[in-house]
Amino acid sequence: DSGVTQTPKHLITATGQRVTLRCSPRSGDLSVYWYQQSLDQGLQFLIQYYNGEERAKGNILERFSAQQFPDLHSELNLSSLELGDSALYFCASSVGGLAGQETQYFGPGTRLLVL
Amino acid sequence: TQLLEQSPQFLSIQEGENLTVYCNSSSVFSSLQWYRQEPGEGPVLLVTVVTGGEVKKLKRLTFQFGDARKDSSLHITAAQPGDTGLYLCAGAPSNQGGKLIFGQGTELSVKP
Repeated sequence: DSGVTQTPKHLITATGQRVTLRCSPRSGDLSVYWYQQSLDQGLQFLIQYYNGEERAKGNILERFSAQQFPDLHSELNLSSLELGDSALYFCASSVGGLAGQETQYFGPGTRLLVL
Repeated sequence: TQLLEQSPQFLSIQEGENLTVYCNSSSVFSSLQWYRQEPGEGPVLLVTVVTGGEVKKLKRLTFQFGDARKDSSLHITAAQPGDTGLYLCAGAPSNQGGKLIFGQGTELSVKP
C-alpha cells in the first residue's frame, strides 16, 4: 500500500460524458501527479500540482483539467469523453516537486472504460 | 519532444538467466529512474540515478546511467520468477518541474 488513494477504482461511461477522478496523496506530500496509461501510448505524464499550484504540464488534452484543493487532494476532470480516452489513470504523490529526484508514490489507479 | 526508447519490449527467459534492459534517448536528462509495475497496481520506484556514469546495485539488479546522461541500463543477474513484471524507465528533463518521461516498458517473464 503506497498510501495514495484513488477513487473510483473502475468507471464505465459513454462517449460525450464527463467524469471526475479523485486522488488523496500520502500524508505530508505536497505534490500530486496525474498519468494516463494505455497499451499504445504507455505511461504518459499529464500534469503536476504542488501545494495547490500547477507546476508542470505534459500532453494533457484541453478536454482534461485538474486541480489541487487546500487539503491537497486532487481531482482530474475528463470531459467530452472519446473511446480513445479509455485507459488507466494513475495519481502519484511526492514530498517536494522534483519527481525525478525523489520517490514518487503511485496510487492503484482508476480504470476508465468509455463505450 | 523528448523520448525514451526502451528495449526489448518483451523478454521471456528461464530462471537463472541474466538479462539487460536498455533505455535510450537523444536528450539529456537530469536524472533517470527505474520502476517496476505489477498487474493491477501502480509503478513502484526501484532506483534513481543522477550522475553520469553512476552505477547502483540493488541485490541482483544493477542500474547504470550513461556518461552523457542520455541512456541507462538495468541488468538482472540470475533472474527469478519473482522478477516477472513490467519494468519502466523514466527520465526527468531539466528545468521542467516534476515532469517525467516514461519509456514504453519491458514486459519480463521469468519461467521456473
